[in-house]
Amino acid sequence: DIQMSQSPSSLSASVGDRVTITCRASQSMSTYLNWYQQKPGKAPKLLIYAASTLQSGVPSRFSGRGSGTDFTLTISALQPEDFASYFCQQSYSVPYSFGQGTKLDLK
Amino acid sequence: QVQLQESGPGLVKPSETLSLTCGISGYFITSGFQWGWIRQPPGKGLEWIGHISRSGVTDYSASLKSRLIMSVDTSKNQFSLNLTKVTATDTAIYYCVGGGGSGYHYWGRGTLVTVSS
Repeated sequence: DIQMSQSPSSLSASVGDRVTITCRASQSMSTYLNWYQQKPGKAPKLLIYAASTLQSGVPSRFSGRGSGTDFTLTISALQPEDFASYFCQQSYSVPYSFGQGTKLDLK
Repeated sequence: QVQLQESGPGLVKPSETLSLTCGISGYFITSGFQWGWIRQPPGKGLEWIGHISRSGVTDYSASLKSRLIMSVDTSKNQFSLNLTKVTATDTAIYYCVGGGGSGYHYWGRGTLVTVSS
């Protein structure tokens, strides 16, 4: 099974900041990496798939990079609605495991 | 617009079977995608449970495989999860999802299932 390690587990930032979240896989998985955003009391929402492809409707301030084992999610200029939890997930091989999550809150 | 909706009991007794159904609207279950389940214990992270293809091929989490059955009902455009012999550790919000190798594009709103006597 592929283990996903996500960091940091929590992050405090201000509106307008640039933030980066990292996800590392226990083995190479090409670009089969997805990012989700989850707000309190809501289902997760797919932000980025295939490491760098923005889901329809997702603002361009979100971007994803990486391949193999190391991946990043960057928010270029935080907006108030971006304060949420973020999860990475690999879809290279079952089980489609998730990272532990990153909680992004307002500094 | 594709929408998923979970249904099932919110309270299950220990050792009994947790049964959930996910109804799909705006998309025919036979048109594609893998249809799956993800759970999230309150305040914790996401756990992949498994998924089933339109043809009924399943992939399950190894830790749940011995207690898990997923099925598809094409006539009702829905799919189901049955988890047997539940314990308190199965208490979670259960989400049904649609997608696959390019991520889960569609999510239900989630349903909280509590295992308690």
